[in-house]
Amino acid sequence: EPEVTQTPSHQVTQMGQEVILRCVPISNHLYFYWYRQILGQKVEFLVSFYNNEISEKSEIFDDQFSVERPDGSNFTLKIRSTKLEDSAMYFCASKREIQETQYFGPGTRLLVL
Amino acid sequence: RKEVEQDPGPFNVPEGATVAFNCTYSNSASQSFFWYRQDCRKEPKLLMSVYSSGNEDGRFTAQLNRASQYISLLIRDSKLSDSATYLCVVNKGGGSYIPTFGRGTSLIVHP
Repeated sequence: EPEVTQTPSHQVTQMGQEVILRCVPISNHLYFYWYRQILGQKVEFLVSFYNNEISEKSEIFDDQFSVERPDGSNFTLKIRSTKLEDSAMYFCASKREIQETQYFGPGTRLLVL
Repeated sequence: RKEVEQDPGPFNVPEGATVAFNCTYSNSASQSFFWYRQDCRKEPKLLMSVYSSGNEDGRFTAQLNRASQYISLLIRDSKLSDSATYLCVVNKGGGSYIPTFGRGTSLIVHP
């Protein structure tokens, strides 16, 4: 069964450093998403991406965040200058059609020191 | 009122029990509703979509009450493997497909 994959599974970084989180969505999917989940809290939507552009984003997704689909398979989330409060699990998700259900990747656990 | 509200639990039930969770949502424009399951430190996985007429999938039954703006999940004949956090997810609606997650309800099924 096809699945969403994410790398790395864990990342530790120093405050102020840039990180890039990588995702490979399911191959025939067209809609891509990033979410975060701070430990013990709810899953929060960050951004959705379709047709090579951002379609919706939340207030969390400020100027320090960016997304890119650099080739036909990868979908990346960049955090330009990490803060302590960026420590969270980051999930990528994808779906084929807008009204269909989305499939989540296993997540990247980011720890900012 | 929170956008999506759930009782965090935990619900601690014996194997074989029937357990029900409720979730309320604040946005009357919401059109799509889901229950996800999340195991500890894992990704959310879709359990079932929730349709207006209610729907059943094996031991799981989901109901939607638009007038009162709540959805429910009923689990019959609980198994140990049902132990997880159950997330209520509601799309914003009004042309937006942004999903809003509840904080989840924790279920512990014991022998």
